[in-house]
Amino acid sequence: DTEVTQTPKHLVMGMTNKKSLKCEQHMGHRAMYWYKQKAKKPPELMFVYSYEKLSINESVPSRFSPECPNSSLLNLHLHALQPEDSALYLCASSQGTQATLYGYTFGSGTRLTVV
Amino acid sequence: AQKITQTQPGMFVQEKEAVTLDCTYDTSDQSYGLFWYKQPSSGEMIFLIYQGSYDEQNATEGRYSLNFQKARKSANLVISASQLGDSAMYFCAMRLNTGGFKTIFGAGTRLFVKA
Repeated sequence: DTEVTQTPKHLVMGMTNKKSLKCEQHMGHRAMYWYKQKAKKPPELMFVYSYEKLSINESVPSRFSPECPNSSLLNLHLHALQPEDSALYLCASSQGTQATLYGYTFGSGTRLTVV
Repeated sequence: AQKITQTQPGMFVQEKEAVTLDCTYDTSDQSYGLFWYKQPSSGEMIFLIYQGSYDEQNATEGRYSLNFQKARKSANLVISASQLGDSAMYFCAMRLNTGGFKTIFGAGTRLFVKA
């Protein structure tokens, strides 16, 4: 299994809703990432988990809350989002965290629309 | 400061011809990795090719090759024998050992392959 699976693929939510994005990989990768990508822009790093521990939070607002329940699963909990949070949310994983050796495997993303 | 620059917002290429996508980078680190990713309109980011800063030979993966010129700090992607399915956004990216787990992306180049 060489995939990163993200669900749902599309999500529309109101500003008062609570929802979660899910990311799963079974490649034995020990680093997992959340990226946010606005249209026609490069991905922007949000969070990094290494060995199930949060290692980087790129000053993301608290309305985004990551969770890594186990080495295969990464969640992103959403609450009280704003319309400007509408974007493609990409999950990625890599074999390790040694920067020069490992490319990412990305999921296909969740297209989030906040109304 | 660490930076990736892609100066070509859009490129056109005739099917079956070769095309070069430009990428320059800026870092004072000696150890780093350079990557190219492809993003079709579906949204998924696909890892194409990797070049390590200490690699003496240019990386090659099928129709993709990376023209690495360390002194010039450039890492151009060459796609040979372009296919219609190559039409996509292409991102150049850099990871640093000192940066740990971060990958810095360039702004991207949109490639259009003409039949």
